[in-house]
Amino acid sequence: SAVISQKPSRDICQRGTSLTIQCQVDSQVTMMFWYRQQPGQSLTLIATANQGSEATYESGFVIDKFPISRPNLTFSTLTVSNMSPEDSSIYLCSVEGGSAEDTQYFGPGTRLTVL
Amino acid sequence: QQPVQSPQAVILREGEDAVINCSSSKALYSVHWYRQKHGEAPVFLMILLKGGEQKGHDKISASFNEKKQQSSLYLTASQLSYSGTYFCGTDAGGTSYGKLTFGQGTILTVHP
Repeated sequence: SAVISQKPSRDICQRGTSLTIQCQVDSQVTMMFWYRQQPGQSLTLIATANQGSEATYESGFVIDKFPISRPNLTFSTLTVSNMSPEDSSIYLCSVEGGSAEDTQYFGPGTRLTVL
Repeated sequence: QQPVQSPQAVILREGEDAVINCSSSKALYSVHWYRQKHGEAPVFLMILLKGGEQKGHDKISASFNEKKQQSSLYLTASQLSYSGTYFCGTDAGGTSYGKLTFGQGTILTVHP
């Protein structure tokens, strides 16, 4: 399975600021995804980030709020812009494992608190 | 649309068995099962592809009924380490390939 790291692991930010979260994979992967997990809740897909194309966003998520970059096959960033306390969540990247069985693995997550 | 998991919570003693169900209203390409412990990321358990297969390793197995769009996760002879929240993630395939929609989770607690 792919080894995924995220930076930062956690952060406390002030309202109105922005935070960029990095996701690094130890192997080349085509498909990367960004999810949000609000406190005590399930996981919700924010967007799909495939190298060489624009990220595609799910309903309720927009590029101005969550800009994403995917410069190569091992790296992606998610920015949470103009933050409010409602953005306090765990943000996770995941990758499609590339095996025949379409397995998806998650990074360790970034725990964000907005004051 | 979010798949529905049942039950919402299960309490077991070590050695007991449990079944967690996941039901979708959409046709599915695959069902993924994850376990998440408090403060940690979800850990992949297994994937079921359409075709109605059953899979398993160690004392955890799962099935996928393609006709009913239902999947079940079977935990036998539970261990303390099985405690956590279990999520099913469904993939409708096609243009939505890889995009997982998660159920609300089932909290499993195993006591000595």
